[in-house]
Amino acid sequence: AQRVTQPEKLLSVFKGAPVELKCNYSYSGSPELFWYVQYSRQRLQLLLRHISRESIKGFTADLNKGETSFHLKKPFAQEEDSAMYYCALSLGTGNQFYFGTGTSLTVIP
Amino acid sequence: EAGVTQSPTHLIKTRGQQATLRCSPISGHTSVYWYQQALGLGLQFLLWYDEGEERNRGNFPPRFSGRQFPNYSSELNVNALELEDSALYLCASSLEFHSPLHFGNGTRLTVT
Repeated sequence: AQRVTQPEKLLSVFKGAPVELKCNYSYSGSPELFWYVQYSRQRLQLLLRHISRESIKGFTADLNKGETSFHLKKPFAQEEDSAMYYCALSLGTGNQFYFGTGTSLTVIP
Repeated sequence: EAGVTQSPTHLIKTRGQQATLRCSPISGHTSVYWYQQALGLGLQFLLWYDEGEERNRGNFPPRFSGRQFPNYSSELNVNALELEDSALYLCASSLEFHSPLHFGNGTRLTVT
């Protein structure tokens, strides 16, 4: 069963517009959720994790347990935000990370 | 700190051969994870090693195997290669339970 769903494979927004990358998960326990980003020709790296509740590069993500979602948001997209974004879930047992299929974000100048 | 390193960067094999991929975790990290990143499929979990033991494996056939050495580096072996094994293989390490994963640059395996 797919644990993490990212419904959009591709997302294009204009520079300065708000952006939201959707992530839904299936897990009844207390999840640990992350967003990873992969810029062109760079390695996959951690963008943020829900437990730290911090904003990285202007991005925020709120865990909504009722909707089992962890959407990534930024009020004003920048060209340098163009990248591949992966939502990931770490379960309470097994320390196994489940990744979504990723969303490719393109910010149009 | 040095990041996760993987070798080789690229590997070309023919169908039926064996491939060996290597990974060195960040110093101090005891957990190593292997993922397959095939086009359009995202990251598929392969294997998780911690303290030298295989802790979990994903939904892959037994010809995908590996090990973790006493220095926590790891090897992924793929036997009887098939064309669909062509993918980017990513290694990641983590410090402790629920800690974020730190990824290497990957090994691009091409099976012809």
